[in-house]
Amino acid sequence: QVQLRESGPGLVKPSETLSLTCGVYDASFSGVYWSWVRQPPGKGLEWIGEITYSGRTNYNPSLKSRVTISIDLSKNHFSLRLNSVTAADTAVYYCARVYGAKGGIDYWGQGTLVTASS
Amino acid sequence: DIQMTQSPSTLSASVGDRVTITCRASQSVSNWLAWYQQKPGKAPKLLIYKASSLESGVPSRFSGSGSGTEFTLTISGLQPDDFATYYCQQFNTDSQTFGPGTKVDIK
Repeated sequence: QVQLRESGPGLVKPSETLSLTCGVYDASFSGVYWSWVRQPPGKGLEWIGEITYSGRTNYNPSLKSRVTISIDLSKNHFSLRLNSVTAADTAVYYCARVYGAKGGIDYWGQGTLVTASS
Repeated sequence: DIQMTQSPSTLSASVGDRVTITCRASQSVSNWLAWYQQKPGKAPKLLIYKASSLESGVPSRFSGSGSGTEFTLTISGLQPDDFATYYCQQFNTDSQTFGPGTKVDIK
């Protein structure tokens, strides 16, 4: 059974960089897209971006200038960095898997709340 | 960017009701459309992919239809476990987008 697990600081100061890692367990990295999705408290879902096992990335245009997603196959994880955070970046951040042939996110992490506050 | 809308934003229904949620895209996404169910404090759960394919393990009372720019999610015989928020998501382009969500609550 595929498992995804987010890890990283729960509190980030404004103007600093948010960094999260998603550990991937019992899953192959090939043939799928590894994604990040966030959800501000009480609001809807926002797609942040995705990466393939070969390192090809796609980003939400509204976040593209601040986002970097990377992958480390040797450590079975992929990561998110979001620069210059503001209070508007406070959200639950989910890592997720998109099975390309399905075009749907079939596995999600449990989510981790990141608060941007001084 | 492709914008997604959903209607209604909130839907009050009773157990046993047939419920329909509509998702519209600002341009064609072919059949690259998924539906999710989310309960408070939990990650979303995939219900439907490619507009009309039922994800493994999802009850058959859930069904999806549509293509191009207009899609529907139907719950035939609402169950107590189905009160939740539902989201659509398009995968047609390299930049994916979610709809704003539809909350299904108890009438």
